[in-house]
Amino acid sequence: NAGVTQTPKFRVLKTGQSMTLLCAQDMNHEYMYWYRQDPGMGLRLIHYSVGEGTTAKGEVPDGYNVSRLKKQNFLLGLESAAPSQTSVYFCASRRLAGDDEQYFGPGTRLTVT
Amino acid sequence: GESVGLHLPTLSVQEGDNSIINCAYSNSASDYFIWYKQESGKGPQFIIDIRSNMDKRQGQRVTVLLNKTVKHLSLQIAATQPGDSAVYFCAETLIQGAQKLVFGQGTRLTINP
Repeated sequence: NAGVTQTPKFRVLKTGQSMTLLCAQDMNHEYMYWYRQDPGMGLRLIHYSVGEGTTAKGEVPDGYNVSRLKKQNFLLGLESAAPSQTSVYFCASRRLAGDDEQYFGPGTRLTVT
Repeated sequence: GESVGLHLPTLSVQEGDNSIINCAYSNSASDYFIWYKQESGKGPQFIIDIRSNMDKRQGQRVTVLLNKTVKHLSLQIAATQPGDSAVYFCAETLIQGAQKLVFGQGTRLTINP
């Protein structure tokens, strides 16, 4: 199993550009999550999904959209990137069982100039 | 503010000593707590978890203590090794449902030879 993978690993955008980050998991997990991590801080939840076709807002959802058209994929979109969205983005997935951990991907480093 | 977030608390210990990393959590309703280890350039990695109906849980070389009265968690690492160098985060959530994690700021653990 590859676990949780993220594409791309790095990206530089200009202000106002758009992009989509892809998260894929091969563990048949129901839950998927997108977090952002700013320097010297813990992760903050952007959006999450409890199953295919469903999404919900997390702690810091503004400026982002998500889609979960397939169970194994969770996409994070930035329609008009801003410098404040410069961050490292982590995806995670988890089984439905309550005591199972969230498995994190390796991260995408995004810089908006 | 942002300047506070840029300076992670740091703990330096000698190789072979025991380490204790502390965390204050914010929500008295949280009933599930997790410690994560994050190495440079990688996603968080699960270390150990504890439910609110316990006050201590042990793993391999790690122990988590929970004090609900003062909303405090600690992670004890026995016989610290160079590979333990990383940033350690505590996270809190509700075990039922989507488990939206709320992360603490993190502590950087440095091992001196």
